[in-house]
Amino acid sequence: SQQGEEDPQALSIQEGENATMNCSYKTSINNLQWYRQNSGRGLVHLILIRSNEREKHSGRLRVTLDTSKKSSSLLITASRAADTASYFCAGDQGAQKLVFGQGTRLTINP
Amino acid sequence: GAGVSQSPSNKVTEKGKDVELRCDPISGHTALYWYRQSLGQGLEFLIYFQGNSAPDKSGLPSDRFSAERTGGSVSTLTIQRTQQEDSAVYLCASSSAGGAFEETQYFGPGTRLLVL
Repeated sequence: SQQGEEDPQALSIQEGENATMNCSYKTSINNLQWYRQNSGRGLVHLILIRSNEREKHSGRLRVTLDTSKKSSSLLITASRAADTASYFCAGDQGAQKLVFGQGTRLTINP
Repeated sequence: GAGVSQSPSNKVTEKGKDVELRCDPISGHTALYWYRQSLGQGLEFLIYFQGNSAPDKSGLPSDRFSAERTGGSVSTLTIQRTQQEDSAVYLCASSSAGGAFEETQYFGPGTRLLVL
C-alpha cells in the first residue's frame, strides 16, 4: 500500500504566488523526501527532512515535518513557470525502501 | 555515466509476450531499486538490491516479475507473459547506500511500457 498521500491532488496558481502542498503518511519513517517529476522525465530529488527535524529550507523550498500528525508540507515561494510539475513525497521506512504518494500536480500560470 | 540510465525508453508489446527492461545505475552505487508508476498513481516499490545481499523482492506483484543484477551493476527487470495491467512507467533508482538510512535515491528517466 502507498505510504504517502499528497494534498491537493492538483494545484493551479499564478506565477509569483506561493504554492503549498501537503503530505500525510501512515507508518513511522526515518525521513521524508520530496521529489519533483516533470512530464515524461524521471524523478528529481528536492529535499530530505529527517524524523527529528521540524523544518528545513533549500532555496525557495521550505519543508516542515510533524511526526505526531504524520504529515509534511512543501512550500515553494515566489513560484515560476518552470516549477510546473508533479510533486511527490516519499517516506523512508528503513531498509532504503521509499514509498510514494500519488503526487500533487502543480501548474504555474504566467 | 552522469546519472541512472534506462533502456528502452519506450516499449510496446503484445499481451502474453515477455519483456526485459534494463537499468544502468550510477557508477559506484551499491543499491539499486525498481519502481512502477501506473497512470495517475504514485510510485510502487518493486524490488531492491544492495551489494551482494539477497534482494528484497517484497514489492513484486506476481511471479511473472523477476529481476537480476549482474556484477553488482546493471540490472534487468523481466516481465513474463505480460498483461495489460502491466502497462506503466518502470523507474530505476540507485543510491550509494552504505547502511545509513538517509541515502538519496537517484532516478532514471524510466521505461514506458504499453501492453496491447
